[in-house]
Amino acid sequence: GQQVMQIPQYQHVQEGEDFTTYCNSSTTLSNIQWYKQRPGGHPVFLIQLVKSGEVKKQKRLTFQFGEAKKNSSLHITATQTTDVGTYFCAGNNDYKLSFGAGTTVTVRA
Amino acid sequence: NAGVMQNPRHLVRRRGQEARLRCSPMKGHSHVYWYRQLPEEGLKFMVYLQKENIIDESGMPKERFSAEFPKEGPSILRIQQVVRGDSAAYFCASSPTSRFTDTQYFGPGTRLTVL
Repeated sequence: GQQVMQIPQYQHVQEGEDFTTYCNSSTTLSNIQWYKQRPGGHPVFLIQLVKSGEVKKQKRLTFQFGEAKKNSSLHITATQTTDVGTYFCAGNNDYKLSFGAGTTVTVRA
Repeated sequence: NAGVMQNPRHLVRRRGQEARLRCSPMKGHSHVYWYRQLPEEGLKFMVYLQKENIIDESGMPKERFSAEFPKEGPSILRIQQVVRGDSAAYFCASSPTSRFTDTQYFGPGTRLTVL
């Protein structure tokens, strides 16, 4: 079955620095979705990428979908304490979301 | 417009008891998905339902677990004779259609603890 791998598992960032989390699928995806989950919370939808090579930005967050539609990345610039949480990518083929294990981000002030 | 609602938010059961988890989708959504999240892991797909129909239950354990989405009322995930390994957060999500471009909106989850 489809597997989605995400690295790194943990990211400790100094406030103001940039970081990137990566997502790789074993199969080609129809689309990829990114979610953020705060501790004790539920996944909150951030964005969806559909087209090969697509790049989307949300303020300090930049999302990219690979040319082969098998990988994706999330880059955050100038990290803030509000960025704390776990970021999940989820590959979508048909209706079933296959989640990566997530990148848990902590921020040092 | 209320979001996806789940209750209870926390549920404690002893081994061998039954757990019933409820999910009310967003207004206008007729597609419901259940996911399970173990500590420090991603969410794992369990089952996909439309009103009165189970479309895909490939992620559901074969025994003790069942799901339904009746014509009236919330979707129910039922776990019979719970064991410690069932302790997890159970999230449901809903979408207006099953098109792959549809966003799935998640409820707050039910945290199940089995003693």
